[in-house]
Amino acid sequence: SAVISQKPSRDICQRGTSLTIQCQVDSQVTMMFWYRQQPGQSLTLIATANQGSEATYESGFVIDKFPISRPNLTFSTLTVSNMSPEDSSIYLCSVDREHEQFFGPGTRLTVL
Amino acid sequence: SQKIEQNSEALNIQEGKTATLTCNYTNYSPAYLQWYRQDPGRGPVFLLLIRENEKEKRKERLKVTFDTTLKQSLFHITASQPADSATYLCALPSGRAAGKSTFGDGTTLTVKP
Repeated sequence: SAVISQKPSRDICQRGTSLTIQCQVDSQVTMMFWYRQQPGQSLTLIATANQGSEATYESGFVIDKFPISRPNLTFSTLTVSNMSPEDSSIYLCSVDREHEQFFGPGTRLTVL
Repeated sequence: SQKIEQNSEALNIQEGKTATLTCNYTNYSPAYLQWYRQDPGRGPVFLLLIRENEKEKRKERLKVTFDTTLKQSLFHITASQPADSATYLCALPSGRAAGKSTFGDGTTLTVKP
């Protein structure tokens, strides 16, 4: 299994600002995944964060909007840049253990 | 890309009955399929994985079937309890990299006492 923590748990931000979300795993992992869950919808993969290399972004997501850092094998950050109300969502990080995904508790972001 | 459809957004049943949730997918048949539970304000929690060569898998009161011909998985909760009330998501691998998954929209189950 894996225990994942995220900070902050929630935030309310103004339009045009940026928020950095932190994700900490209790053990070393090669890949960490960032998902978005918009209100009433399912999870959408934003990007895969690999330690020591650039993150891999899914279609519709770009590095300028969602820069990711992966400084070591237990930690990653996702920044939501130049926010708009459409970015209001829950952001989740996850790791995979033999095809079982473990998720953090999520960061609930509200953009005014 | 894979598209996943889960039956009705909401399912209401009486305590003690069996809940049956459906997950249909299009395109290629995946090597495995996963089911997760998500409670409000929390991240999904892994429940079961079933592989393409497995017809059925059980875990306590949970049973999952996988029909690669119909491209469908059924998720059953027997002797349901109010504590089983949650949103249930099915997910399929969305690439070669382990951990990349495509999720269905989920079915919200409410078990009434």
